[in-house]
Amino acid sequence: RKEVEQDPGPFNVPEGATVAFNCTYSNSASQSFFWYRQDCRKEPKLLMSVYSSGNEDGRFTAQLNRASQYISLLIRDSKLSDSATYLCVVFTGAGSYQLTFGKGTKLSVIP
Amino acid sequence: GAGVSQSPSNKVTEKGKDVELRCDPISGHTALYWYRQSLGQGLEFLIYFQGNSAPDKSGLPSDRFSAERTGGSVSTLTIQRTQQEDSAVYLCASSPDRANSPLHFGNGTRLTVT
Repeated sequence: RKEVEQDPGPFNVPEGATVAFNCTYSNSASQSFFWYRQDCRKEPKLLMSVYSSGNEDGRFTAQLNRASQYISLLIRDSKLSDSATYLCVVFTGAGSYQLTFGKGTKLSVIP
Repeated sequence: GAGVSQSPSNKVTEKGKDVELRCDPISGHTALYWYRQSLGQGLEFLIYFQGNSAPDKSGLPSDRFSAERTGGSVSTLTIQRTQQEDSAVYLCASSPDRANSPLHFGNGTRLTVT
């Protein structure tokens, strides 16, 4: 099993749709998790952290399932501007600077 | 405040030449990472620096690649005798002096080896 796995997509959804991505990780000691967004030919930008209790930021909701070792990102009411590649990031272990990026899931929101 | 700054933003070089890429992290960030990303691919870890500790060089693809970080701030990634397969975007990121902190990326250097 790879350290961090994401469905590469592409996910093609109409405007206004709800879409969810999962990211699985193999190291049960992983402590911190993040979602990044990367636009075409741009650098990744932090979208949100993922907390154990789940967290929401506007139309975006991130959740962590430690038992099944995955994190998820839910986007409600998709906008054209949400089209991007979404990367999950997993830190390995407590007090760690070691991290692994997923290869990303590509989202295209269609008018 | 100022973000991570990388220079040059674009670099075209001939095969066999050496190149230096520069990264100026966010002030006060002690952790600094280099990644590269080929077109349509994921991020490939190259090296990271944390304070005065020995860098983790485990991602450097060959001995043609080296990096240093002077004074715990600016970092330089050097590629010697460049090859066409070195063509990629080289991304630098920094994070604060807290483990498990998210990374903040620079705009990257797009390297093209002809």
